[in-house]
Amino acid sequence: DTAVSQTPKYLVTQMGNDKSIKCEQNLGHDTMYWYKQDSKKFLKIMFSYNNKELIINETVPNRFSPKSPDKAHLNLHINSLELGDSAVYFCASSQQWENTGELFFGEGSRLTVL
Amino acid sequence: KNEVEQSPQNLTAQEGEFITINCSYSVGISALHWLQQHPGGGIVSLFMLSSGKKKHGRLIATINIQEKHSSLHITASHPRDSAVYICAVRLLHGGSQGNLIFGKGTKLSVKP
Repeated sequence: DTAVSQTPKYLVTQMGNDKSIKCEQNLGHDTMYWYKQDSKKFLKIMFSYNNKELIINETVPNRFSPKSPDKAHLNLHINSLELGDSAVYFCASSQQWENTGELFFGEGSRLTVL
Repeated sequence: KNEVEQSPQNLTAQEGEFITINCSYSVGISALHWLQQHPGGGIVSLFMLSSGKKKHGRLIATINIQEKHSSLHITASHPRDSAVYICAVRLLHGGSQGNLIFGKGTKLSVKP
C-alpha cells in the first residue's frame, strides 16, 4: 500500500486549460503539503494544510486552488495553465503541524504545459 | 543569498569512500530534514534533527544549532547511494513559521 499517492503521474496539457492533481495519504496524518520542483530541481512549498484547514499559502498565484475534502486528501486544481507552471508537483504529509516528525512524499506529478 | 546553503553542489566518489555533505542555514529553525531524491524522482525522508546526532545504517546526520550547520555522512558508500541529497529547515519564526525551506541539493554519484 502506497503511503502517499498522487494522480496522475504525468500530465501534458495546453496553455489555458484547467487541470487537477489528486493526493491521498493512508497514514492517518493531520498535515499535508504541496511542493513545486522546478526545472532546476529546486523544491518550494506551495501550501500546507492541517486538519483540512489552510495553514500556509506561499505566494502562489490564485490560479492554484487547493482543496481538502478530508484530512486524508489534498487536491490541487490549477486554472488557466501557463508555460511556467511546468514542473513536478509533490504532495507530502506529516503526522502533525506542531511537531512534524518525518515527511512522507508522493511520487510526484510531472506537469508539462505546451 | 539563500537561507539554506548546501555544499558541495556535485560530488563524485569511488565506492567505499566516506562522504560528507554540508548544510548551513541563516534563519532560526525548529528542525532540519535530510531528504534523498533518487534519479527516478521519488523523495524519501532520511532524518529529522533538532539537536545532536542520528544514525541509520551507513548514514549519520549531525546538527550544531549554535553554528547553524548540519552534516550528512555516508560511510562505505555504494553506487546505490547515488542520488540528490536535500537539506530542508523548518522555520521557527515569522509569517512563514513552520514552513520548510529547501537547499538546492547535492548531487552524489558513487562510481563502482
